[in-house]
Amino acid sequence: QQQVKQSPQSLIVQKGGISIINCAYENTAFDYFPWYQQFPGKGPALLIAIRPDVSEKKEGRFTISFNKSAKQFSLHIMDSQPGDSATYFCAAISGYSTLTFGKGTMLLVSP
Amino acid sequence: NAGVTQTPKFQVLKTGQSMTLQCAQDMNHEYMSWYRQDPGMGLRLIHYSVGAGITDQGEVPNGYNVSRSTTEDFPLRLLSAAPSQTSVYFCASSYLRGGNEQFFGPGTRLTVL
Repeated sequence: QQQVKQSPQSLIVQKGGISIINCAYENTAFDYFPWYQQFPGKGPALLIAIRPDVSEKKEGRFTISFNKSAKQFSLHIMDSQPGDSATYFCAAISGYSTLTFGKGTMLLVSP
Repeated sequence: NAGVTQTPKFQVLKTGQSMTLQCAQDMNHEYMSWYRQDPGMGLRLIHYSVGAGITDQGEVPNGYNVSRSTTEDFPLRLLSAAPSQTSVYFCASSYLRGGNEQFFGPGTRLTVL
């Protein structure tokens, strides 16, 4: 069973628009929620992460919104740029356990 | 620091052949892991290790073996390759504390004919 559900599978956004990717989880023991960014032909790299004691974390144009009661978190990319075109994975982990990844969202930002 | 390195970058095997995918890291990370990435399936954990001499199975371990004799190296062995093992394989490492950033290698694209 999938413990982290990610949507949408793919997303096309115009340059300057807002990209929004959503994730939902089931395991209430999860205590760390990272987002990874992967460019074609490369390995994933950590983009931004949040812990459940805060509802929002912002780093530049990237923001994570976290809703603990709904067991949902989302990535918002403001002023999306063609260079943001990549695959984005949400993930979750509890304590010393292993990371559980969502299935990924392919983002294309059109010029 | 080279970070996480993987060799080879590409490999083509015939069904039944064996091979070892190499992974090394120079960050003194305790935790190392192997993932496979398939279209629409995300990243699925194959095996992981929390230190030299300690390994454990992930979500999709069948057909793969691992060992961890040193902190730096974590090779993945395919004993008898099958077409279902055609995939992109990523090695990752991190410090052994929940939630720490995982550093991924560049990947190995494996095709089994």
